[in-house]
Amino acid sequence: GESVGLHLPTLSVQEGDNSIINCAYSNSASDYFIWYKQESGKGPQFIIDIRSNMDKRQGQRVTVLLNKTVKHLSLQIAATQPGDSAVYFCAENSGWGKLQFGAGTQVVVTP
Amino acid sequence: SAVISQKPSRDICQRGTSLTIQCQVDSQVTMMFWYRQQPGQSLTLIATANQGSEATYESGFVIDKFPISRPNLTFSTLTVSNMSPEDSSIYLCSVEGQGMYEQFFGPGTRLTVL
Repeated sequence: GESVGLHLPTLSVQEGDNSIINCAYSNSASDYFIWYKQESGKGPQFIIDIRSNMDKRQGQRVTVLLNKTVKHLSLQIAATQPGDSAVYFCAENSGWGKLQFGAGTQVVVTP
Repeated sequence: SAVISQKPSRDICQRGTSLTIQCQVDSQVTMMFWYRQQPGQSLTLIATANQGSEATYESGFVIDKFPISRPNLTFSTLTVSNMSPEDSSIYLCSVEGQGMYEQFFGPGTRLTVL
């Protein structure tokens, strides 16, 4: 079936640099995407979302970009901090509230 | 966003036994969801639980193994029945947000089956 997946399983970033986490999706009918952050021992935390009628959405230090032509989603974190170390998941709302999650990317922030 | 709590936060169980996980929300929500996260992996939807109706299960999950209750708009339970070591996972509940597309997650229940 159609799925959501990630390009990089692990991303090592130096503190202060920008992070970019990528996600590919295959369901062209998807109209809503979410990025979650999951710290060790905790549930996923909502970061930012974007609808398919948008190309870009900005939050506090985070930006999500959506390229529908190539079915690609990315999360950019500006000035990465140690507290940003976590696993990041993209998720696709497949209808009736059901979320389909990508594999996840482990972000490691180094001093 | 809603405040979601789960009980227990973790448990170690013997194979063949059952465990019931509780999910409590601080506001009324129509849709609640149960997910499983196996060690080192992503989240997989088990079922959707709406108040007043039977839960809807995803492919690969059955009611006999994962019975769900939804007695009111703020509470749900998931039971993991006749457990085996393969059931060792984190079980998470989530609820819809006000935007209808958003979902917020509880802290999860970490289950280890020996």
